[in-house]
Amino acid sequence: GDSVTQMEGPVTLSEEAFLTINCTYTATGYPSLFWYVQYPGEGLQLLLKATKADDKGSNKGFEATYRKETTSFHLEKGSVQVSDSAVYFCALKQGSQGNLIFGKGTKLSVKP
Amino acid sequence: EAGVVQSPRYKIIEKKQPVAFWCNPISGHNTLYWYLQNLGQGPELLIRYENEEAVDDSQLPKDRFSAERLKGVDSTLKIQPAELGDSAVYLCASSYSGRGTGELFFGEGSRLTVL
Repeated sequence: GDSVTQMEGPVTLSEEAFLTINCTYTATGYPSLFWYVQYPGEGLQLLLKATKADDKGSNKGFEATYRKETTSFHLEKGSVQVSDSAVYFCALKQGSQGNLIFGKGTKLSVKP
Repeated sequence: EAGVVQSPRYKIIEKKQPVAFWCNPISGHNTLYWYLQNLGQGPELLIRYENEEAVDDSQLPKDRFSAERLKGVDSTLKIQPAELGDSAVYLCASSYSGRGTGELFFGEGSRLTVL
């Protein structure tokens, strides 16, 4: 079945460092891909999404490009802030009526 | 616009006791999901409703878990009896599956501790 694999954490960075969180997927067809973020004590929030190959999702300085050839959707940010400390989940969804399938999450801690 | 509302936020019970969680989805969202999130793990689907119909409950442990979605709006997830291993966060989400990607919107979750 469909699945998502993301790099294990925790990831600890200094403020203003470059961030990459790797995500690869296994799926039939052309799923939509998502990054969700969970800040401490809060619910899951959609960070960005891409619905077809070569689409780039972006939000709050984060970016991810849907790479069909490598089945990847890596999350990047050029300069992280302390406020970016959270758990990041990569996920995929088949069509408008499919279930959202998550990776295990990557905890990011940004130190001042 | 109000988001997905869940209650209670926290619940502590003794093992073998029953517990229920309630979810009110975003208005107009016809699809409702219950996910289980264990500590340090990604959410895993328990059940998905399209309107009133449970269209995917393959991961719901039916010997102790039950769910209902009356009138295709609010939903309740019940565990009876609870076991120690049920300690987790129970997430509710909703989406509109009419068109587009059917992006999911999540509530803040109900954290269950079974002693």
